Amino acid sequence: DGGITQSPKYLFRKEGQNVTLSCEQNLNHDAMYWYRQDPGQGLRLIYYSQIVNDFQKGDIAEGYSVSREKKESFPLTVTSAQKNPTAFYLCASSRDSHDHEQYFGPGTRLTVT
Amino acid sequence: EDQVTQSPEALRLQEGESSSLNCSYTVSGLRGLFWYRQDPGKGPEFLFTLYSAGEEKEKERLKATLTKKESFLHITAPKPEDSATYLCAVQVDSGGGADGLTFGKGTHLIIQP
Repeated sequence: DGGITQSPKYLFRKEGQNVTLSCEQNLNHDAMYWYRQDPGQGLRLIYYSQIVNDFQKGDIAEGYSVSREKKESFPLTVTSAQKNPTAFYLCASSRDSHDHEQYFGPGTRLTVT
Repeated sequence: EDQVTQSPEALRLQEGESSSLNCSYTVSGLRGLFWYRQDPGKGPEFLFTLYSAGEEKEKERLKATLTKKESFLHITAPKPEDSATYLCAVQVDSGGGADGLTFGKGTHLIIQP
């Protein structure tokens, strides 16, 4: 089955630790995205990548980093510099830069204490 | 600044009671407007894309429409399984490629049997 996978579903970390969230897709999509969702707020764009080895900051990139070494993978690192890291993180992909429909993975809920 | 506002925040209907959800937007250069359905603890599920005023799309009990200022998601004779949060998002023509989406906060819909 084609789709987007995110792992793990739940993640717990201590304050001050970096943590990496996984996102893999087998849809052969060029573009990938990371969003953050908080209660009572809309999804907010963290980073996106239109093609391998290239990525751009979204609206709330501070405290996050990404890499895009393979077409299928777009991992997100939440660093200790992120002041409020506890959230629901969603990865998405779209076919290419002309295909506007984004498809989402199941999400990772990160809790930092 | 691009803005997307959804109303109402929450809506409770009886099974079979039709209604509409609203998404109003203020953007410069709309590339597309998207509707998603999100169940608790899961990633958003793509429903519709609308590109120009006057466009309509249907899927089962759902129908999405678009004007120059807003979009409506009409739900006809809803069933309890239609209960979910419905998200509206816009993509703006920034001159680049696959930019991220700007989301509203969603409408939480409950259909009572």
